[in-house]
Amino acid sequence: DSGVTQTPKHLITATGQRVTLRCSPRSGDLSVYWYQQSLDQGLQFLIQYYNGEERAKGNILERFSAQQFPDLHSELNLSSLELGDSALYFCASSVATGTGGRNEKLFFGSGTQLSVL
Amino acid sequence: GQQVMQIPQYQHVQEGEDFTTYCNSSTTLSNIQWYKQRPGGHPVFLIQLVKSGEVKKQKRLTFQFGEAKKNSSLHITATQTTDVGTYFCAGPLSGNNRKLIWGLGTSLAVNP
Repeated sequence: DSGVTQTPKHLITATGQRVTLRCSPRSGDLSVYWYQQSLDQGLQFLIQYYNGEERAKGNILERFSAQQFPDLHSELNLSSLELGDSALYFCASSVATGTGGRNEKLFFGSGTQLSVL
Repeated sequence: GQQVMQIPQYQHVQEGEDFTTYCNSSTTLSNIQWYKQRPGGHPVFLIQLVKSGEVKKQKRLTFQFGEAKKNSSLHITATQTTDVGTYFCAGPLSGNNRKLIWGLGTSLAVNP
């Protein structure tokens, strides 16, 4: 058990809908990362938050947004869903922001499997 | 743009055989991380290499970071069925230590 909690584990929805994925980081971790994993594209970094602020952005679509709350949990909102958004969405947490020439190791949650029908 | 390539994409071995996966970056990396993802599971951190030419061992796993810090390898001696999974390498985007660029992974299957 990594200590990172993601809910729900599975989500089935229809095209055009909006969903929210939730993540609680490990106790003491200030950074939260969101990743999308699909068979053909591997692990794609979406976005990172550190202590409530956005710190880095990856290949996140404009239809997607995220936030980190004062209690450090994070939510990833996916809207106007398309078939191609079906994927496994991972949240990961780490202690710090990854400065000083070294990246902090990531602890991944068990993921949310999103199926868009 | 900056890329991290992993080869091979798939590897099928007989239990007891050795296995190696290679990670090559288009640019120099300040550090590199390796993760393992079991089927149906999530990525789990294995190790981080920082120094040029660094070699680290974890039981049957040997990790190397190239002298030029542009490549890395993971070697497993005498594979076991518990080694099954996908092995990913990840390195930071140049000029931005906060973003990791991930390889597509090497999927290892082990025949008992």
